[in-house]
Amino acid sequence: GNSVTQMEGPVTLSEEAFLTINCTYTATGYPSLFWYVQYPGEGLQLLLKATKADDKGSNKGFEATYRKETTSFHLEKGSVQVSDSAVYFCALSDTGGFKTIFGAGTRLFVKA
Amino acid sequence: EAGVAQSPRYKIIEKRQSVAFWCNPISGHATLYWYQQILGQGPKLLIQFQNNGVVDDSQLPKDRFSAERLKGVDSTLKIQPAKLEDSAVYLCASSLEQRYGYTFGSGTRLTVV
Repeated sequence: GNSVTQMEGPVTLSEEAFLTINCTYTATGYPSLFWYVQYPGEGLQLLLKATKADDKGSNKGFEATYRKETTSFHLEKGSVQVSDSAVYFCALSDTGGFKTIFGAGTRLFVKA
Repeated sequence: EAGVAQSPRYKIIEKRQSVAFWCNPISGHATLYWYQQILGQGPKLLIQFQNNGVVDDSQLPKDRFSAERLKGVDSTLKIQPAKLEDSAVYLCASSLEQRYGYTFGSGTRLTVV
């Protein structure tokens, strides 16, 4: 069945450092891929998405590219801020758009 | 546009008691989801509605959990009786189409003591 695997956290970075959070997936067909962010005490918020191979999703300085050849959707940001501290979830929606599954989440701490 | 509304934000109950959560999705979103998020884990789908019909409830513990979506708008999730392992955040989400992503509510944090 479909699955999503994220790098384990926590990830701790200093402000202005470069961020990469790895995400790989297993799915048949052509799923849509997502990154969600969860700030403390809040629900998940859609950060960015990509619906087909080679698409790049971007938002708030974050970006991720849908790589079908490596089945990956790694999240990157060139310069993180303290306010980016949160838990980040990779997710996929299957080809038919019937079911979305989430990774376990990666906690990011950014130090001033 | 208004977001997904959930209430209450927090609830503490004793085991074997019952509890209910309410969700109001974004207007026009036909699909509504209830997820359970245990501390340190990703969300797990409990039930998915399309309008007022159930699409997927394969992971809903039906001996104690029930959910309904009257008139295809608001939804209620109930637990009766609660167990200690039900302590979690219960998230409601809605979408126009899954492939474009979901909008989540702020969740209800349930503590069973």
